[in-house]
Amino acid sequence: GQNIDQPTEMTATEGAIVQINCTYQTSGFNGLFWYQQHAGEAPTFLSYNVLDGLEEKGRFSSFLSRSKGYSYLLLKELQMKDSASYLCAVSDNTNAGKSTFGDGTTLTVKP
Amino acid sequence: SAVISQKPSRDICQRGTSLTIQCQVDSQVTMMFWYRQQPGQSLTLIATANQGSEATYESGFVIDKFPISRPNLTFSTLTVSNMSPEDSSIYLCSVEGEANTGELFFGEGSRLTVL
Repeated sequence: GQNIDQPTEMTATEGAIVQINCTYQTSGFNGLFWYQQHAGEAPTFLSYNVLDGLEEKGRFSSFLSRSKGYSYLLLKELQMKDSASYLCAVSDNTNAGKSTFGDGTTLTVKP
Repeated sequence: SAVISQKPSRDICQRGTSLTIQCQVDSQVTMMFWYRQQPGQSLTLIATANQGSEATYESGFVIDKFPISRPNLTFSTLTVSNMSPEDSSIYLCSVEGEANTGELFFGEGSRLTVL
């Protein structure tokens, strides 16, 4: 099975940088995903990490350390529209590669 | 990314009734996934719908409660049977992206409220 932990809530200021952490335990790591979910909407895919290191995509970056069972999502130059829930999900090849989702981190961006 | 359409987008249902949710994808996909997201919680996989075979259910979910159809490679339905207030949730259909790395694309979701 998998155990995925991420903070429940975070608050940051417009224009700032915020880092959302995710730790996981899995028996057959096959990839880690970050999704963004605005209130009342479906999740949308943000990033994918399968090797250690940083993946950068515009204002968003995602980092992975497989040995530590740790990832973070870094959001730069925060905008009000970044207020959303951010879901960490881990794929496990002992579970046919299916993803298990963390409970999500609700980020509130304030002016 | 695939375009996924779900309906209904929301419904209010009476206890003991059943409701079928439809999911249409704009391209052929091997697997379609049905998730549940209860209020304030994250996503839980209900089952994987495979074309030409029975759906594969996750622990805690059974076919009698959540029957699934998959008549072709672009369409699936999920029925929530004999509903109770505990079934009030958002039900999401999803498919994997073309990159085959496991990333998921979701429909808009169907928000069910059971009275």
